[in-house]
Amino acid sequence: SAVISQKPSRDICQRGTSLTIQCQVDSQVTMMFWYRQQPGQSLTLIATANQGSEATYESGFVIDKFPISRPNLTFSTLTVSNMSPEDSSIYLCSVILAGTANYGYTFGSGTRLTVV
Amino acid sequence: ELKVEQNPLFLSMQEGKNYTIYCNYSTTSDRLYWYRQDPGKSLESLFVLLSNGAVKQEGRLMASLDTKARLSTLHITAAVHDLSATYFCAASGGSNYKLTFGKGTLLTVNP
Repeated sequence: SAVISQKPSRDICQRGTSLTIQCQVDSQVTMMFWYRQQPGQSLTLIATANQGSEATYESGFVIDKFPISRPNLTFSTLTVSNMSPEDSSIYLCSVILAGTANYGYTFGSGTRLTVV
Repeated sequence: ELKVEQNPLFLSMQEGKNYTIYCNYSTTSDRLYWYRQDPGKSLESLFVLLSNGAVKQEGRLMASLDTKARLSTLHITAAVHDLSATYFCAASGGSNYKLTFGKGTLLTVNP
């Protein structure tokens, strides 16, 4: 399975600012996913990021708020823009290796964001 | 739209007891996953279930899949404190590989 390095692991940010989260994968992966996990809640998919194309956002999430970059097959960033306290959550990236959905998804260690 | 319902949401059990967590999903799904999450940690993959009747076991945990009933179960045998965590099931279907998660089951195993 792939190994993901996600940074930062946590941050405390002022409202109105932006934070960029990075995920670096040790293998080339076709599909990367970004999730949000609000306190005490389950995971909600924000968007799917495929290299060479625009990210596909889920209902309730927009590019202006959560811009995503996917410059190559091993790296992606998610930016949380113009933050408010409601954005306080854990953000996780996830990948599957091409043709290996049968083996499960790998998740990054998560970024715990607190907006004050 | 694929929906995943998991129950119970909270489970407190004594060491040595058995219990089952249930995961229902709403539409045809190709793959069913179980994950474990410890407090403040990321998700650890437990099982991937791909076909009707699939059963997988790892230690005190056993997962099964009934695609006709759209039901997966995670059975805990002779629980120990180390199993205390939140357990999520997730389903995916189609070519987009998106995962839809259940709400999770917070399991507490008491001595």
